Amino acid sequence: NAGVTQTPKFQVLKTGQSMTLQCAQDMNHNSMYWYRQDPGMGLRLIYYSASEGTTDKGEVPNGYNVSRLNKREFSLRLESAAPSQTSVYFCASRDFDTQYFGPGTRLTVL
Amino acid sequence: GENVEQHPSTLSVQEGDSAVIKCTYSDSASNYFPWYKQELGKGPQLIIDIRSNVGEKKDQRIAVTLNKTAKHFSLHITETQPEDSAVYFCAASIISGNTGKLIFGQGTTLQVKP
Repeated sequence: NAGVTQTPKFQVLKTGQSMTLQCAQDMNHNSMYWYRQDPGMGLRLIYYSASEGTTDKGEVPNGYNVSRLNKREFSLRLESAAPSQTSVYFCASRDFDTQYFGPGTRLTVL
Repeated sequence: GENVEQHPSTLSVQEGDSAVIKCTYSDSASNYFPWYKQELGKGPQLIIDIRSNVGEKKDQRIAVTLNKTAKHFSLHITETQPEDSAVYFCAASIISGNTGKLIFGQGTTLQVKP
């Protein structure tokens, strides 16, 4: 039981490049979330998926898209990366009220 | 929308002392308040939570208190140990429907000095 896994762990992009962050959970949870963490700002919700087949915007969705590929997988895509998207990205899944977080992806956009 | 303020941003204590972190929230409809601990290079992990129908909850050296009238809640760690050193986040949520969205505070970096 690996919990929530994220790939890659680290990534450096140039402005304008695109990439997809991958997230998978093996706990059979319905809800999944993408957050970004910036110094002094806590974690902010980008997008979430309450159940397979649904996605909704969070606090800071601009510049991102998501896909809930199946119950296990929830990906985050940056179509045209900007330096403001330099951050640590966390994926989480939820069981009742508790959210379980992955180890994070550290993304730098030059 | 909901806003959560967390203080202090950094806290340094001697091993064995107590540590208190405080959060305030804006939306009186919030009814679920978890606390997460984040160790260096890892994702946040739930350490304790409280619901609005309860005023206090304890789990060994950790306790959380909630004052609904004042809209604030606090994390208390007693007999601190070096392994308690981490970043702590409070959060607030409205348990309704199926969204489970959390609004996080800004985080507190706790340093426990041996």
